[in-house]
Amino acid sequence: KQEVTQIPAALSVPEGENLVLNCSFTDSAIYNLQWFRQDPGKGLTSLLLIQSSQREQTSGRLNASLDKSSGRSTLYIAASQPGDSATYLCAVTNSGYALNFGKGTSLLVTP
Amino acid sequence: GAGVSQSPSNKVTEKGKDVELRCDPISGHTALYWYRQSLGQGLEFLIYFQGNSAPDKSGLPSDRFSAERTGGSVSTLTIQRTQQEDSAVYLCASSSRGGGAGTQYFGPGTRLLVL
Repeated sequence: KQEVTQIPAALSVPEGENLVLNCSFTDSAIYNLQWFRQDPGKGLTSLLLIQSSQREQTSGRLNASLDKSSGRSTLYIAASQPGDSATYLCAVTNSGYALNFGKGTSLLVTP
Repeated sequence: GAGVSQSPSNKVTEKGKDVELRCDPISGHTALYWYRQSLGQGLEFLIYFQGNSAPDKSGLPSDRFSAERTGGSVSTLTIQRTQQEDSAVYLCASSSRGGGAGTQYFGPGTRLLVL
């Protein structure tokens, strides 16, 4: 059974810092990996989708990398802003189609 | 265009009652998913619909849970004889590509509280 782990569980940084969120998964035979953002009381917003054949994806200040063989992905956030404060979730899809989620990293960016 | 919508946004019910949760996917999306987010449990998959194919119900936690998708669009998740452990946020997602290949777009969820 696929297990997805996210480290750290919570992170607090001052505005302007660059930061890295980590995600690891036990079964490397993934179809794709997706990073989401969840604001309190809201649904999930998709940030980046990396197919298994890709190494990274970029969107604005966000960069996600994927090392499938080692079962790891990182989400890099450049020049963090208070508006980036949210919970970030990593999820992988194996040969099926359901997303297997980590428990998330709660990020607080202080002004 | 409109995103995934869910109703109601909040539902409080008494133990033993039945509830129905509704999901309107993005127009044209053939794949529809239901997930549940419980405190301390994270997000877990419940059921998947793809086009006119039989749904994958492998994630449903008990036979009190059922779901249907009418006309390949709107979906309803029904929980019969609700229990307190059913309290959670129920999230619906849709995708233009099935088989887990495409980005899944989530609705805002229905927050269910069973008293």
